[in-house]
Amino acid sequence: KAGVTQTPRYLIKTRGQQVTLSCSPISGHRSVSWYQQTPGQGLQFLFEYFSETQRNKGNFPGRFSGRQFSNSRSEMNVSTLELGDSALYLCASSSIGEGGEQFFGPGTRLTVL
Amino acid sequence: SQQGEEDPQALSIQEGENATMNCSYKTSINNLQWYRQNSGRGLVHLILIRSNEREKHSGRLRVTLDTSKKSSSLLITASRAADTASYFCATEEVEYGNKLVFGAGTILRVKS
Repeated sequence: KAGVTQTPRYLIKTRGQQVTLSCSPISGHRSVSWYQQTPGQGLQFLFEYFSETQRNKGNFPGRFSGRQFSNSRSEMNVSTLELGDSALYLCASSSIGEGGEQFFGPGTRLTVL
Repeated sequence: SQQGEEDPQALSIQEGENATMNCSYKTSINNLQWYRQNSGRGLVHLILIRSNEREKHSGRLRVTLDTSKKSSSLLITASRAADTASYFCATEEVEYGNKLVFGAGTILRVKS
């Protein structure tokens, strides 16, 4: 099976712009979660989608949003970018609602200038 | 916020030696998972141990879980230079579905 894919792999934006990142989970996986990784805060949970519904949300401002499509692919959007949004954004997929292994994609490296 | 601490923050060993990393957490969990990350790339899933398990093996990896102490350890035996990476523990808390809470990680360097 193909692994989790994320596009684009690298992105450079300027403050105030918005960005959309995409994640395709492993075939058959219905859960997609998003994480932000920065040197200062480490790995932090953004949100999780399961069967097109957001089930959990982390402590991030409303500028961070996401959605999941019927084919389980997911997108996350960050509006009004700030310098502090520069990070590696990782998505993970799982085949079950909870208690299972989660598999991560290679990440999207976002740089905000 | 992060679940807990990982110890040590950094570890440097010679090839062939064993490496042990520890992880502590704060709440009730469904399972605990260990991941490896090379140079800011994606996370590679290593092993999952459920809350009702005490020990699990996978190849050169051995993971223990002590739910009474809320702690886990990852042992890598006969380490290789290719094991050089950051290692993270992540807990899946009860009633939070697939949300993982990560530790700060241990940077392992294996010298050849």
